[in-house]
Amino acid sequence: KNQVEQSPQSLIILEGKNCTLQCNYTVSPFSNLRWYKQDTGRGPVSLTIMTFSENTKSNGRYTATLDADTKQSSLHITASQLSDSASYICVVNPLGSSGTYKYIFGTGTRLKVLA
Amino acid sequence: SQTIHQWPATLVQPVGSPLSLECTVEGTSNPNLYWYRQAAGRGLQLLFYSIGIGQISSEVPQNLSASRPQDRQFILSSKKLLLSDSGFYLCAWSAQGSGELFFGEGSRLTVL
Repeated sequence: KNQVEQSPQSLIILEGKNCTLQCNYTVSPFSNLRWYKQDTGRGPVSLTIMTFSENTKSNGRYTATLDADTKQSSLHITASQLSDSASYICVVNPLGSSGTYKYIFGTGTRLKVLA
Repeated sequence: SQTIHQWPATLVQPVGSPLSLECTVEGTSNPNLYWYRQAAGRGLQLLFYSIGIGQISSEVPQNLSASRPQDRQFILSSKKLLLSDSGFYLCAWSAQGSGELFFGEGSRLTVL
């Protein structure tokens, strides 16, 4: 069964600190993996997208890594800011979806950054 | 540029009442359209997706229905709401041939 699991479920850090969020998936084969940021009560917004052949992708203070062998991805946030407080969702897009994408969503990691 | 609009943002409805959530996409043609529901502490659940006008696929049996009367309009409906229909509903679109999902701002539905 295709699954995406994220850890930790929630995380509290102090402003300025770094943190790493984990995503383990069983989806195989897959087309790409995305990380989304979702502010409370808002729709998710894409942070990064990686194909199965990419190892790392950066977007400002956000760096995503992908290990296709172990089926793991991580999102590293550097020098956290209060505005980073949000849920972060890992999404895997399986191959073979016949032109319509059936995304597999993780349950997310809720990050809270304290001043 | 492409934008997606979803409304209403918040809705409080009694059990047994009808529901209509609307979503429109601007700046693109023939998008794939999706309705998701997000329960607290759980991942997004795909409810419906559409690859074209009048073409709706349902992912889970439920009390809801969807319609696509126009190319860039997607509507989520119910004739009689249940308590279990409460949740956060998200409309999304993706371009044909592209995997990136773009989400609307969401609609918070509370059924009392």
